[in-house]
Amino acid sequence: AQTVTQSQPEMSVQEAETVTLSCTYDTSENNYYLFWYKQPPSRQMILVIRQEAYKQQNATENRFSVNFQKAAKSFSLKISDSQLGDTAMYFCAFMKHGSSNTGKLIFGQGTTLQVKP
Amino acid sequence: GAGVSQSPRYKVAKRGQDVALRCDPISGHVSLFWYQQALGQGPEFLTYFQNEAQLDKSGLPSDRFFAERPEGSVSTLKIQRTQQEDSAVYLCASSLQLQGTNYEQYFGPGTRLTVT
Repeated sequence: AQTVTQSQPEMSVQEAETVTLSCTYDTSENNYYLFWYKQPPSRQMILVIRQEAYKQQNATENRFSVNFQKAAKSFSLKISDSQLGDTAMYFCAFMKHGSSNTGKLIFGQGTTLQVKP
Repeated sequence: GAGVSQSPRYKVAKRGQDVALRCDPISGHVSLFWYQQALGQGPEFLTYFQNEAQLDKSGLPSDRFFAERPEGSVSTLKIQRTQQEDSAVYLCASSLQLQGTNYEQYFGPGTRLTVT
């Protein structure tokens, strides 16, 4: 069974600074996807960034980038130039790839990020 | 276009009552998922539909939980004889398909169920 662990329940960062959220996972699968989702206080989950495990290159989306270490089963999210609107709960999630994939996401426990002015 | 919508947004039920939660996925999305999110926790998978077929219901916590998607679009999650431990936010998500790059799940705002 796959598990996803986020060891930082809460974090804070000053506006315009950089913050890194940690995520580790456990799987015996070789092909899979990893995601970071953002859930603002309004609770609608939004995809921030995704990474295909077969890709060596770390994914980047504007101010968001990941550090994907497949051997270490680590998938951290870096937010650069933090903005007040980044305040939210962030979830790391895993999805199997392949014919047996039903598409279900396995989520970590979440990290609450507070961006301070 | 419109995103995933869910209704009601909030539901208070007395213990033992039956509830029905509705999800309207994005038009044309083949895959539909239900998740349960306890307060302060990450969502947990409940069930998955591909069109009208329920292909995975391994996450349903008991036989009091039942989901359907009879015409392959709108889905309903029904909880019979609600218990206090059923209190949670129920999230619905849809995706265009599972193949290729079209596997991104789009989430609805959720229904917050409180059982008293």
